[in-house]
Amino acid sequence: NAGVTQTPKFQVLKTGQSMTLQCAQDMNHNSMYWYRQDPGMGLRLIYYSASEGTTDKGEVPNGYNVSRLNKREFSLRLESAAPSQTSVYFCASSESGTGGLYEQYFGPGTRLTVT
Amino acid sequence: GQQVMQIPQYQHVQEGEDFTTYCNSSTTLSNIQWYKQRPGGHPVFLIQLVKSGEVKKQKRLTFQFGEAKKNSSLHITATQTTDVGTYFCAGLTPSGAGSYQLTFGKGTKLSVIP
Repeated sequence: NAGVTQTPKFQVLKTGQSMTLQCAQDMNHNSMYWYRQDPGMGLRLIYYSASEGTTDKGEVPNGYNVSRLNKREFSLRLESAAPSQTSVYFCASSESGTGGLYEQYFGPGTRLTVT
Repeated sequence: GQQVMQIPQYQHVQEGEDFTTYCNSSTTLSNIQWYKQRPGGHPVFLIQLVKSGEVKKQKRLTFQFGEAKKNSSLHITATQTTDVGTYFCAGLTPSGAGSYQLTFGKGTKLSVIP
């Protein structure tokens, strides 16, 4: 099992360019998440998908869009990149049940720089 | 909205000293999870606490969940250089319609001086 995979690992964009971050999981999890991590700010939720076919905004959704392509894949799109979007982006997945969410499994991250 | 405060933000200890990080929530939590992130790595799940007053141990790590389910702590006994990293707590609360929200604290970055 590869767990959670993310591509690319590194990316440099110019202001105004667009790109899509890809994420896939092979653990048959229902829920998937996109976080950004900035120094001193911890992990902030951008968007999540509780199950295939649904997506919801998290804490910091502005400037981003997501697509839950199927149960395995959840992509994050930056339509017009801004320097404020320079960050490390993590995708995660988890199972869920009547008792709540189980532990989240994180991908290796994408380090994005917008100049 | 839901807030999870974690202190301290940074902690430098001499190898062999103990370390504790504290997590406080503004609301009652369904459960709390703890994660560790090594430098340059990704967060890795350590443990989940569900019951009021619960205490769990993993070797030198002791995790506690408060009686009111609004606070938690992670204590490391006799730190080693392998303990270096950032420790995050994450509180789970219901967000309606059978779904849940997991809110991360900002983390405590632990440095261990050999």
